[in-house]
Amino acid sequence: SYELTQPPSVSVSPGQTASITCSGDKLGDKYACWYQQKPGQSPVVVIYEDSKRPSGIPERFSGSNSGNTATLTISGTQAMDEADYYCQAWDSSIAEVFGGGTKLTVL
Amino acid sequence: QVQLVQSGAEVKKPGASVKVFCKASGYTFTDYAIHWVRQAPGQRLECMGWINAGNGKTESSQKFQGRVTITRDTSASTAYMELSSLRSEDTAVYYCAREAVDYDAFDIWGQGTMVTVS
Repeated sequence: SYELTQPPSVSVSPGQTASITCSGDKLGDKYACWYQQKPGQSPVVVIYEDSKRPSGIPERFSGSNSGNTATLTISGTQAMDEADYYCQAWDSSIAEVFGGGTKLTVL
Repeated sequence: QVQLVQSGAEVKKPGASVKVFCKASGYTFTDYAIHWVRQAPGQRLECMGWINAGNGKTESSQKFQGRVTITRDTSASTAYMELSSLRSEDTAVYYCAREAVDYDAFDIWGQGTMVTVS
């Protein structure tokens, strides 16, 4: 079965840039999306199709996907961005798979 | 507004079944697929299966095949997920999520339903 690997945690200082990676075999050949989940809340999509932002998502969220790695980048990280982030891969050959999640701490 | 509202928390005995509903509003129910995703305490999100609300076609993850039944009632704009032969490892929050029509992602999520097997 297809697997996606994320670092368990990432820390960043307010105003700095946070990068969260998601690794999977030939992930760059598939579409990746990213969800933000705050404690006690449902996930919210912040990036879809590798790099596109849904309406209402701040411009500081961006994404890329190439080779075996997709990356979510948060520029000018704010305290409100502290959350768990999950990547997800989409491809007709696999069921929709989630990464293990990354806890972003803003300190 | 567009939303998915799920049924309330459930407590079940091992071996029992649970049925969770997901009521859609604010959009044409039959134009989208609904997926079911669960999250055990401290664990990753896990896809269980989905239903095309228009034609009723379903697909379930291999892990849950034989135990999960996904249905819908178009007159009520509601999708259902029934999980049978419950065991303690099925204790989790169960979410329904709408698959976006224009892109590959879940754009609307229900509030989640906590199912406790004990």
